[in-house]
Amino acid sequence: DTAVSQTPKYLVTQMGNDKSIKCEQNLGHDTMYWYKQDSKKFLKIMFSYNNKELIINETVPNRFSPKSPDKAHLNLHINSLELGDSAVYFCASSPWAGAHLNTEAFFGQGTRLTVV
Amino acid sequence: AQKITQTQPGMFVQEKEAVTLDCTYDTSDPSYGLFWYKQPSSGEMIFLIYQGSYDQQNATEGRYSLNFQKARKSANLVISASQLGDSAMYFCAMRSPPNNNDMRFGAGTRLTVKP
Repeated sequence: DTAVSQTPKYLVTQMGNDKSIKCEQNLGHDTMYWYKQDSKKFLKIMFSYNNKELIINETVPNRFSPKSPDKAHLNLHINSLELGDSAVYFCASSPWAGAHLNTEAFFGQGTRLTVV
Repeated sequence: AQKITQTQPGMFVQEKEAVTLDCTYDTSDPSYGLFWYKQPSSGEMIFLIYQGSYDQQNATEGRYSLNFQKARKSANLVISASQLGDSAMYFCAMRSPPNNNDMRFGAGTRLTVKP
């Protein structure tokens, strides 16, 4: 009964390929996120969706495209992969923060993407 | 825009001693929430403790407590009686208006507990 699950856990691919990472949460949360953690462990927010609507879209190359078919799923598609895309990608979910700032984010186990 | 700063890339502590991990933040809004997460070497992100800007008391959760100094805009994590299993990356994070759903993280501090 994993709360936030990502697949795959590891992904090794060649430059130029297109790949997707899937994320599902069974917590009933309205808000989902994608974060990128680089080799220095810095966690950078990429996107956030609330009830299938994009609410945060950071400065990310447009090769990255999130898709939320429903509020329990948020997938990340990456086109034309580059060496610099190698990182750990975390999906997270939380209740709608709205007026309630004390909503923690629940994280998936991460997907380690290696581009060769 | 909100900003979180963790100035200690790495910290060492002797087992059973207490350690303080620093976090400062910058926001112009009086309403905000501060979080600490632990990331062990296995990679998962574990929520530890929360402090709201209007909370009158410092947050505590077991061996974790927050030294919240609002005027200095700092929310330092104190871990008492350190254990070997506390060795991990620790991240400070914040939510604040205008978009409360935007959760930003500091650069993290790597804590190593020595036996």
